[in-house]
Amino acid sequence: GQSLEQPSEVTAVEGAIVQINCTYQTSGFYGLSWYQQHDGGAPTFLSYNALDGLEETGRFSSFLSRSDSYGYLLLQELQMKDSASYFCAVRDTGGFKTIFGAGTRLFVKA
Amino acid sequence: DAMVIQNPRYQVTQFGKPVTLSCSQTLNHNVMYWYQQKSSQAPKLLFHYYDKDFNNEADTPDNFQSRRPNTSFCFLDIRSPGLGDAAMYLCATSSDQYRGRYNEQFFGPGTRLTVL
Repeated sequence: GQSLEQPSEVTAVEGAIVQINCTYQTSGFYGLSWYQQHDGGAPTFLSYNALDGLEETGRFSSFLSRSDSYGYLLLQELQMKDSASYFCAVRDTGGFKTIFGAGTRLFVKA
Repeated sequence: DAMVIQNPRYQVTQFGKPVTLSCSQTLNHNVMYWYQQKSSQAPKLLFHYYDKDFNNEADTPDNFQSRRPNTSFCFLDIRSPGLGDAAMYLCATSSDQYRGRYNEQFFGPGTRLTVL
C-alpha cells in the first residue's frame, strides 16, 4: 500500500527551531511537498522537493533523501502564528494524484 | 486576486437529500481536484480533472459524482448523503505548466457539510 508517516503532534516554544519528519512508502515518487493548514482554513503550499537536498524559503526549509524515502520540514524562529497542522504529500506518478500524510499538529508556546 | 472560490462555505442537508457543492477558479489552471477532509485527518482525494479528463479514485464511493462544465467551474454532487459524509470538502487547482517539476496545489476555503 501507499503511506506517509509523520508525527501526530509537536510542541515547541516561540523562537525555537522545530523539525517535522515524514517517511513515505509509495508505488512511485515524483516529489515531496509540504502544506500548512490553520484550524478552519485551507491548506497552503509551503515547499517542494524532487531531488535530494535542502530547499530554503525564508524561515522554512525542506529536506529530501530519496534513498531513505524520508524528508523533513524545518521551521526556524518559531512564531505563534506557526501553530497549525503540517502535511507532507507525495506526488506518486507523473500524473497529478497527490497523497497526503495524516498531518502533524504544531503547538507553539510563548 | 486570482483565487479558488467555493460555495457555499457551510451546507446543511438531510440524510439522503442530494447536495451539490461548487468550486470556481480564476487561476486558469487545467487541473481541478476534490478532496474530503474529516476532523484531524488528511485530505483524501476523491477525484480530479485534467482538462476534461476525469480521474476517479478507486475507493471513492459511487455516491460521489463530479462535473466540470468548463475550465473555471467544477461541481461535486453527493447523490444520497449519509452521516459519514459529513466533512470539509476542499477544491484545489494546479497547472500542468510545471509538470515534471512540481505540482503546487491551490486550495479553496472549503465547504463544511453537515448531514442531519
